[in-house]
This record gives sequence, structure tokens and C-alpha cells, in this order.
Amino acid sequence: QSALTQPASVSGSPGQSITISCTGTSNDVGSYNLVSWYQQHPGKAPKVMIYEGTERPSGVSNRFSGSKSGNTASLTISGLQAEDEADYYCCSYAGGATVVFGGGTKLTVL
Amino acid sequence: QVQLQESGPGLVKSSQTLSLTCTVSGGSVSSGSDYWSWIRQPAGKGLEWIGHIYTSGGSTNYNPSLKSRVTISLDTSKNQFSLSLSSLTAADTAIYYCACSTAWAYRDWGQGTLVTVSS
Repeated sequence: QSALTQPASVSGSPGQSITISCTGTSNDVGSYNLVSWYQQHPGKAPKVMIYEGTERPSGVSNRFSGSKSGNTASLTISGLQAEDEADYYCCSYAGGATVVFGGGTKLTVL
Repeated sequence: QVQLQESGPGLVKSSQTLSLTCTVSGGSVSSGSDYWSWIRQPAGKGLEWIGHIYTSGGSTNYNPSLKSRVTISLDTSKNQFSLSLSSLTAADTAIYYCACSTAWAYRDWGQGTLVTVSS
């Protein structure tokens, strides 16, 4: 069970859109529509932003969206705002009632 | 939405066993179809799934890399679940979170508790 692969960092200017990728294998991301995305600000617990690949929990801005193609899931944030600056983690069901996280991506709002 | 609160020692010695408890409020560990989970995060690093226990039947699943050292259990009378991690080393130093997942997404998290393993 290897960690999902995310870029270490991404950046964007306010108002722009950014996309964070999350690459797994046919044993996890590729086989299930069960990828979730988490936002974590410094010193805080993670917060779920996307679940089941594309669904947003109540209260999460519609600027956040999820998608998947093959073994790669993606999180897109549109209309970037200063408050979006945080670490983002993907997580996928990996079969056998287990899950695997990505290594995390630091988003910087320029 | 449930609230979760971790408790346990902040400092443990190498080779010993860590015991943490997560107290749940606003929900029950013995009903529904939730997975009660433990996740950890070393300082400056990413999240690592440790394992979980299922509400119904109490079945458990663990990260293969930790499986030989981990036990997760439920105490329905106290509405708590617990983590036991044995044979500690410095690599186990981390913030430990308890969380609740539904449909394989962690919707509720505790605030996290820092555990330092000392030699």
C-alpha cells in the first residue's frame, strides 16, 4: 500500500484557478469513485472538502470541485482566495476496507 | 456532526506501548454505519491512516505497515474507542487524530494530540 502521489506545491494568484493532482493505481483511485480531499490550515485538523470523488459536503464553497481520469484524481479550486492557502490531501479507498492518503500539496496564494 | 476528543499521554518512552482514547459526543459509537478511525501526522509531514473499527460488529482493519503493532477497540459503555500502538520508536512521534468516516470520507475529526516518543 503506497501513498498516493501529489505535487509538493502549487501556487496561484487571487481569482485564478488551480488544480491539484492525486495519482494512484488501479488498486485504489482507478478502481473506486471513493476519493476524498482535505484542507488543512496550520495547527488545525483536516477538513473534508470533497468526498466520493465529486461531492461537496454542505457548507463547502462551490469553488471546490473534484474529478477523476483513470488512476488520477484532481481537485480544482476556482476563484482562488487568500483563505484557500493551506495544505491539501487526497485519500482513496484501497480495497479490503483500507484507505491510503496522498503525501499532501502546499497551496500558496500569491 | 459528532464531536471527537483525543486523550492520552503526550510523552512515552521508546519500546513502550502508547494508549490513546477518543471520546465521542453527539453520536454513538455503537450505531449507524461509521468507521471510527485513527490517523497520524508527523511534524511537517503528511497524513497516515493507522486503522479503524467498524460500528457494526466491531471488525477492525489496519495499515499493513503498522498491523503487527496496532490494536483498535470500542468501549460502547463510555462511547469511546481506543488505540494501542506497541514497540514505539522515535518514528512514531506525531500528532494523532481520531476521526469518523462514512462512505470512506472523514467528515469529523478530533483536534489531535501530540505524542512524543523519547529514548
